[in-house]
Amino acid sequence: DQQVKQNSPSLSVQEGRISILNCDYTNSMFDYFLWYKKYPAEGPTFLISISSIKDKNEDGRFTVFLNKSAKHLSLHIVPSQPGDSAVYFCAATWGSSNTGKLIFGQGTTLQVKP
Amino acid sequence: DAGVTQSPTHLIKTRGQQVTLRCSPKSGHDTVSWYQQALGQGPQFIFQYYEEEERQRGNFPDRFSGHQFPNYSSELNVNALLLGDSALYLCASSLVAGGFTDTQYFGPGTRLTVL
Repeated sequence: DQQVKQNSPSLSVQEGRISILNCDYTNSMFDYFLWYKKYPAEGPTFLISISSIKDKNEDGRFTVFLNKSAKHLSLHIVPSQPGDSAVYFCAATWGSSNTGKLIFGQGTTLQVKP
Repeated sequence: DAGVTQSPTHLIKTRGQQVTLRCSPKSGHDTVSWYQQALGQGPQFIFQYYEEEERQRGNFPDRFSGHQFPNYSSELNVNALLLGDSALYLCASSLVAGGFTDTQYFGPGTRLTVL
């Protein structure tokens, strides 16, 4: 049972344009969501997070939007840079899980072309 | 500031063997979580260690066990290896505050291949 889904395995965008990565979830108990970026031969790197009490969180070029009614979140990268090319994972957890156990999606490979 | 470190980087074992993977958390962190990432999949939670005890466990068999030492470093042990155990094993460290686990930071992983 895949509770967190990233339905697009890959995405290709031109440098300077917007990248939009999408994530859907099924478990309504999730109340905290994170995005991680992973380069080959490295571990996932934390990018940005959002609590379910918010619908938007911004950090520099990265913005995460949360639509609770649709159980959908998205990561916007503006402007996209070639160094952003990596695998992006969406993850979710819930407050009653005091361990912060993360449930990950399958990942989306982003390629930013110069 | 040293981040999360894992050893070894790569490991090749045969079916039925046992393996031990090691993790040192980021400075100041007291909690270690282990994840298994199969090819083309997202990481899956194995278990978490805090105060030298297993705090929560994911859907993994008892062949997977762990340990946390007083210096917060941790080991993941897998017995009776199966071909399906071939994966990237990721360690993540974090800090428990107010009983809850803060943001997890990942190490580079150990690539285990079972032949």
